[in-house]
Amino acid sequence: SQTIHQWPATLVQPVGSPLSLECTVEGTSNPNLYWYRQAAGRGLQLLFYSVGIGQISSEVPQNLSASRPQDRQFILSSKKLLLSDSGFYLCAWTFGGGRYNEQFFGPGTRLTVL
Amino acid sequence: GNSVTQMEGPVTLSEEAFLTINCTYTATGYPSLFWYVQYPGEGLQLLLKATKADDKGSNKGFEATYRKETTSFHLEKGSVQVSDSAVYFCALRIKAAGNKLTFGGGTRVLVKP
Repeated sequence: SQTIHQWPATLVQPVGSPLSLECTVEGTSNPNLYWYRQAAGRGLQLLFYSVGIGQISSEVPQNLSASRPQDRQFILSSKKLLLSDSGFYLCAWTFGGGRYNEQFFGPGTRLTVL
Repeated sequence: GNSVTQMEGPVTLSEEAFLTINCTYTATGYPSLFWYVQYPGEGLQLLLKATKADDKGSNKGFEATYRKETTSFHLEKGSVQVSDSAVYFCALRIKAAGNKLTFGGGTRVLVKP
């Protein structure tokens, strides 16, 4: 069976500090991977998605970047955090090739920027 | 473009009450439709889905029917429990590169005993 992991679970960072959130998937190969952000009291916003190693698509202009150094690893980064980067970050995966509809979500990372 | 509109919450109900959460969509094509649920402090879980018009998705007592004529996918449950307290997200997917989902804004539901 497949599992998705995210860490850390919670993070408190000062404004201007760097960020690295990691997401890994086990039990499948060549998944599509996604990063979402959920700001307080708001819906989900797709930030990035990736259909393969080194392939990143950005959905919205922002202070963040994403990388996919390995097939089942997806990293969300920032060089200098802003207050507006606070939120709940969710990683998700789906089977590659458009064979299935469902996205499977990780447990999330709650980021607070002070 | 594609978009999903949900009724705003919070929705507060008593246990055993009937729940309806409205969801309508606009899409450039024939979407698959989903309801996801987010329990407090957790990630999202798929609740149910429908992939074509007139399909009915169901799970855990929840139901939603894909209505192409009204571009809607309303979520219903006949008798809610306290454990149904969560945020519910309606979403659509157009079969295209990336399998991207477009989410509604979410509806918070609070069920009181």
